[in-house]
Amino acid sequence: SQTIHQWPATLVQPVGSPLSLECTVEGTSNPNLYWYRQAAGRGLQLLFYSVGIGQISSEVPQNLSASRPQDRQFILSSKKLLLSDSGFYLCAWSVGRGFDGYTFGSGTRLTVV
Amino acid sequence: GNSVTQMEGPVTLSEEAFLTINCTYTATGYPSLFWYVQYPGEGLQLLLKATKADDKGSNKGFEATYRKETTSFHLEKGSVQVSDSAVYFCALMEPSGTYKYIFGTGTRLKVLA
Repeated sequence: SQTIHQWPATLVQPVGSPLSLECTVEGTSNPNLYWYRQAAGRGLQLLFYSVGIGQISSEVPQNLSASRPQDRQFILSSKKLLLSDSGFYLCAWSVGRGFDGYTFGSGTRLTVV
Repeated sequence: GNSVTQMEGPVTLSEEAFLTINCTYTATGYPSLFWYVQYPGEGLQLLLKATKADDKGSNKGFEATYRKETTSFHLEKGSVQVSDSAVYFCALMEPSGTYKYIFGTGTRLKVLA
């Protein structure tokens, strides 16, 4: 069966520090991968998506970047965190465009202090 | 552009009450529609979906009917339980092949015993 792992579950980082969040998918090949952010009291905002190794599309200009070094690995990074980067980050995957829905990871709660 | 509008929360109900969470959408073409549920501290889980007009999605006692004439996809359950307390997100998949969903802002449901 397919599973998605996301870590860490919680993270407290000082302003200006780097960030690396990792997401891996098991049990499937060539998934579409997504990073979403959920800010407090708000909906989900798509940050990045990837349809293949090394292929990253950015949805909004921001302080973050994403990479897909392997087929089932998706990494969210920042060189210098801002206070506004705080939020709940969710990784998701889908088969193709996602007609059968997305499968989400359990999320990372990031607090920038 | 495409968008999803959900009713403002929180919604507070007593156990065994009838639930309706309204969702309307704006989209060109015929999007697929979804409801996701997010339990506290977790990622989103697909609850149900509908891919064409008049389709009814159902799961775990929840139902939603794709109404093209009113551009709506309201979520209903006949008798809610305390365990249904969560945040519910309505979403559409853009029909133009952009590999992304548009999520509503979420509606928090609290069910009291």
